[in-house]
Amino acid sequence: DARVTQTPRHKVTEMGQEVTMRCQPILGHNTVFWYRQTMMQGLELLAYFRNRAPLDDSGMPKDRFSAEMPDATLATLKIQPSEPRDSAVYFCASGLDPFRWSNQPQHFGDGTRLSIL
Amino acid sequence: SQQGEEDPQALSIQEGENATMNCSYKTSINNLQWYRQNSGRGLVHLILIRSNEREKHSGRLRVTLDTSKKSSSLLITASRAADTASYFCATPPLAGNMLTFGGGTRLMVKP
Repeated sequence: DARVTQTPRHKVTEMGQEVTMRCQPILGHNTVFWYRQTMMQGLELLAYFRNRAPLDDSGMPKDRFSAEMPDATLATLKIQPSEPRDSAVYFCASGLDPFRWSNQPQHFGDGTRLSIL
Repeated sequence: SQQGEEDPQALSIQEGENATMNCSYKTSINNLQWYRQNSGRGLVHLILIRSNEREKHSGRLRVTLDTSKKSSSLLITASRAADTASYFCATPPLAGNMLTFGGGTRLMVKP
């Protein structure tokens, strides 16, 4: 079964440090999503890419977060500088949308559990 | 703000019983999707029901959609301990691919 792969699975670091999370979407998928999950806020969409182009990152704090897709096999989410309130599980998901707004199911990775001390 | 809200927030049943979870949403949709999340894992897509469908089945899952009431239900029949997980409904807007997830229903199936 094809899977979305996220690395690292766990990350513990001190506040102020840069954090980079990586995602390998399923081969052939043309949409990539980044989500953050916390007990208080639930699942929040941070960024959305289609054909490697960022379409929506309105849910992402711009001052410290950045999301990129250097190529079709890699998506990254960076936090610099990190803060304790960034502690959460970050999920990447990918999907295949043959046309825009086709609303196909998303396939999730198992997440990066981030703890900022 | 969340588009979908699941009810109940938590549900505990015995193996073999049926489990019903409800989802309400706020705006018009093209489809509604249900996902399952096991502890420590990512979400897994279960079923998608389009706005012109009223009911859909997949194995032991039955999903209904009432667009007039902006609500959906997920029924798991003959539950198993392995069904223990959190279940989320998710809706995309009419013009967009960004799913908005509800807070989820935590289901525990006791053996």
